[in-house]
Amino acid sequence: AQSVSQHNHHVILSEAASLELGCNYSYGGTVNLFWYVQYPGQHLQLLLKYFSGDPLVKGIKGFEAEFIKSKFSFNLRKPSVQWSDTAEYFCAVWRNAGNMLTFGGGTRLMVKP
Amino acid sequence: EAGVTQFPSHSVIEKGQTVTLRCDPISGHDNLYWYRRVMGKEIKFLLHFVKESKQDESGMPNNRFLAERTGGTYSTLKVQPAELEDSGVYFCASSRPGTFSYEQYFGPGTRLTVT
Repeated sequence: AQSVSQHNHHVILSEAASLELGCNYSYGGTVNLFWYVQYPGQHLQLLLKYFSGDPLVKGIKGFEAEFIKSKFSFNLRKPSVQWSDTAEYFCAVWRNAGNMLTFGGGTRLMVKP
Repeated sequence: EAGVTQFPSHSVIEKGQTVTLRCDPISGHDNLYWYRRVMGKEIKFLLHFVKESKQDESGMPNNRFLAERTGGTYSTLKVQPAELEDSGVYFCASSRPGTFSYEQYFGPGTRLTVT
């Protein structure tokens, strides 16, 4: 069965620190990959997505992610986090055959001012 | 453009009772999805509508859950009778048809607590 793994459940950083959140998936076919974010009290929002082409994708608010096919990974990065980045982050894989998103368990990020 | 809305935002019911959750997708979005997150675990797919038709309901936990989308507009998800393990946050998402079906817009979720 396809799965998506996020390695860190909770991350605490100080402002200006660099961020990298890990995401690995187990599906062997063609994948479409996403990072979603849920700020406190808000909807899930799309941060960025990868479908094809340049494996380094840039999203909103200075986030980027790199697709490494050989490692089945799609890690999320940000060079310098802000307090406002405090949120829960979800990695997800789009299953073309099933027309659904498969999510990882989420990573709660707390940024200390 | 109005986003995906869900009602209610919170629901607390007793075991054995019935609850109906509602989702209003973005206008023009033929695809409507229900997902659930239980106890801080991963968000899991429940089912997918294309207009009024159930395209995939492979994620529905059991026959206590019934989803409908009459007229291809809003959708309801009924849990009858509710059990303790049904507690969680129920998300609805919608997307446009065709190649944009992967770009899902999520509602705020309904937090269901079964006591």
